[in-house]
Amino acid sequence: AQSVTQLGSHVSVSEGALVLLRCNYSSSVPPYLFWYVQYPNQGLQLLLKYTTGATLVKGINGFEAEFKKSETSFHLTKPSAHMSDAAEYFCAVSGRSNQGGKLIFGQGTELSVKP
Amino acid sequence: EPEVTQTPSHQVTQMGQEVILRCVPISNHLYFYWYRQILGQKVEFLVSFYNNEISEKSEIFDDQFSVERPDGSNFTLKIRSTKLEDSAMYFCASSHPRDTRETQYFGPGTRLLVL
Repeated sequence: AQSVTQLGSHVSVSEGALVLLRCNYSSSVPPYLFWYVQYPNQGLQLLLKYTTGATLVKGINGFEAEFKKSETSFHLTKPSAHMSDAAEYFCAVSGRSNQGGKLIFGQGTELSVKP
Repeated sequence: EPEVTQTPSHQVTQMGQEVILRCVPISNHLYFYWYRQILGQKVEFLVSFYNNEISEKSEIFDDQFSVERPDGSNFTLKIRSTKLEDSAMYFCASSHPRDTRETQYFGPGTRLLVL
C-alpha cells in the first residue's frame, strides 16, 4: 500500500524567500515520486519527478526536490519565491511494480506569496 | 507541445441523469486514466485503461461508472445515474508506454455539478 502526507495545507512566504513544501511517503515497493502544480482553474502540471538515479532532481520554474529514502521524504524547494509561484502543489507516488502507474496524491499544499 | 484536452469544461446535471465526460489523450499515448477531485479534497484515482480494457480501478469506480475508447482518439467516462456526491472536478490523464510508471500528463479537467 502507498500513501503520501503533505505537512501543511497552507504555506505563506514573502517574495524572494525560500520555499519549502514537505512531502513524506509510504510505499512497500521502490517508489516513483512526483510533484505537480495546479494553478487556479487549471489542470495538473508536472513540476518534477524522481524515478531512479540522482536523488536531487530539478524541475521547471526553478524548483527542485530531494529523494531521501532514509527519511521517506521528497520535499520541494525553491531558493527564491516569485509571485507567480502562488498555486496548489501536490506530491504523488506510484509504485514501480504497479501496472498502469496509478498515482496516489497527497492532500495538497496551497502556497501564497506575499509582496 | 501536445496536450490532453477535455470537454466540456463545466457540466451541470440533475441527480439521476447520465453524463459523459470526454477526453482526447496525447496521440501516441497508450495508458489512460481518470481521477477526480472533490472540492477541498485530494486528487483520487478512479480507473486506468490499457489495450481496450481496465487495468485497475478504485473502490470509487463502482457499477455506475464506465470507461470507453470509442475510436482512436477519444477516451470517455460515463456516470450512469449521477448522485450529489459525484460533484467534483474530473481529470483525464495519459502516459506513453515507455513511461508507463512515470509521467502522466493531465488535462484541464471537467467540473461536474450534480443538483
